[in-house]
Amino acid sequence: EVQLLESGGGLVQPGGSLRLSCAASGFTFTSYAMSWVRQAPGKGLEWVSGISGSGDGTYYADSVKGRFAISRDISKNTLYLQMNSLRAEDTAVYYCAKVAGYHNDYGMDVWGQGTTVIVSS
Amino acid sequence: QTVVTQEPSFSVSPGGTVTLTCGLSSGSVSTSYYPSWYQQTPGQAPRTLIYSTGTRSFGVPDRFSGSILGNKAALTITGAQADDESDYYCVLYMGSGISVFGGGTKLTVL
Repeated sequence: EVQLLESGGGLVQPGGSLRLSCAASGFTFTSYAMSWVRQAPGKGLEWVSGISGSGDGTYYADSVKGRFAISRDISKNTLYLQMNSLRAEDTAVYYCAKVAGYHNDYGMDVWGQGTTVIVSS
Repeated sequence: QTVVTQEPSFSVSPGGTVTLTCGLSSGSVSTSYYPSWYQQTPGQAPRTLIYSTGTRSFGVPDRFSGSILGNKAALTITGAQADDESDYYCVLYMGSGISVFGGGTKLTVL
């Protein structure tokens, strides 16, 4: 069974940093792209970042470009999202999602349960 | 900047058929955008219904189907049930690794 388990969320002050993790199991980790998607309170879903199966391609929404960094550790089957210079508008539930293909084009087919990030002083 | 458009709300009668659409503020949606569809109920993680235009995700019943209708992607639900009452989101692949969500459609079954 394919499973994704996020961790690392919490309360952080504006300007601070946080690293989210997503432990993956049940599939060949390097064969599929992965994405991070977030949902601010009461708002819709927003695609944040994606990474190719090999990790050599990384992609970002304009809203986080230059502040967030996505990576994957194939030895640990884990996806990461390093979030720096956090702002109040980054407050959201962050979901890890497996993409249905090697690149980021096919759409996401499996989701984690999410981890909550609150940016507040 | 191109915006992905969805109907803000829609209603369907139990047992009825409804088609939700996903368009672009500028241009037409084709299979090259690999449209995908997600269902979300309050407080829950999204659930994938359809990816790559018309491929149903594992375990999704065949009363959910995806297609291209005219210049938009479409999600059709046949035989609507009470527990189909949810928010539905589409995603379009914009190229260069970038995906964009639509604003979502709130579906009411009544």
